[in-house]
Amino acid sequence: KNEVEQSPQNLTAQEGEFITINCSYSVGISALHWLQQHPGGGIVSLFMLSSGKKKHGRLIATINIQEKHSSLHITASHPRDSAVYICAVGSDTDKLIFGTGTRLQVFP
Amino acid sequence: ETGVTQTPRHLVMGMTNKKSLKCEQHLGHNAMYWYKQSAKKPLELMFVYNFKEQTENNSVPSRFSPECPNSSHLFLHLHTLQPEDSALYLCASSLLQGGPYNEQFFGPGTRLTVL
Repeated sequence: KNEVEQSPQNLTAQEGEFITINCSYSVGISALHWLQQHPGGGIVSLFMLSSGKKKHGRLIATINIQEKHSSLHITASHPRDSAVYICAVGSDTDKLIFGTGTRLQVFP
Repeated sequence: ETGVTQTPRHLVMGMTNKKSLKCEQHLGHNAMYWYKQSAKKPLELMFVYNFKEQTENNSVPSRFSPECPNSSHLFLHLHTLQPEDSALYLCASSLLQGGPYNEQFFGPGTRLTVL
C-alpha cells in the first residue's frame, strides 16, 4: 500500500461542475503539495500547504493534519482543467512521496 | 529560455544502444533531480544532485548513469536498457535540496521507449 493514496483514480465531469480530488497519507508530514500534469508531460506546482486552506483562482486546496487528509477542489470546471493531479507529501527527510495521481477529464 | 528544459522529448532505442538525456535549468537552482514515471505508478526518485554532488541514488540499476557537470545541467546516460525501462523521465530542480517546503520545478519530460 502506497504511503500516499489518491481518490478517485479517474474522474470525468461536465464543464461547470464542482470537482473534488482527495489525498490521504499515512506518514507524518510537514507540507503537502498538489501538482498538475498536462498530457504533454510537464508538471506544475499548484499549491504547497501545511495547514488550513489555500485558494488560487478556481482552485482550492485544504488540509486536515489530524485526519491526514487533503482535498483539491475545482470550481466551475473547464475542459482546460483536464490533466492528472498529483498529491505529494514532504516530511523532514529530503524526499517527496508521491501519489499515483487522479486523471481528470472535463467535457464541454 | 526559462524554466527547466529537457531534450530529447521522445526517444526510441534498442537494448544495445547508448543514448543520453539532457536537462537544463535556467532558474539559478542548486539541486537537480531525475524521476521515472511509469504508467499507474507514483513518480520514482532516481538521483539527486546538490551543488553538483550526488546526494541520492535510489537503488537505480547501473545501466542508468547520471552526470552533473554544473548546477545548471544534468544528464542521464543510458546503456543496455530493458523494455521495462520504457517510461517518462522527468528532470526537476529546486533552490536547495531537502525540506518539506522545497518546491521543485519540473521539465516536460523525455518519453523513452526501449524496443
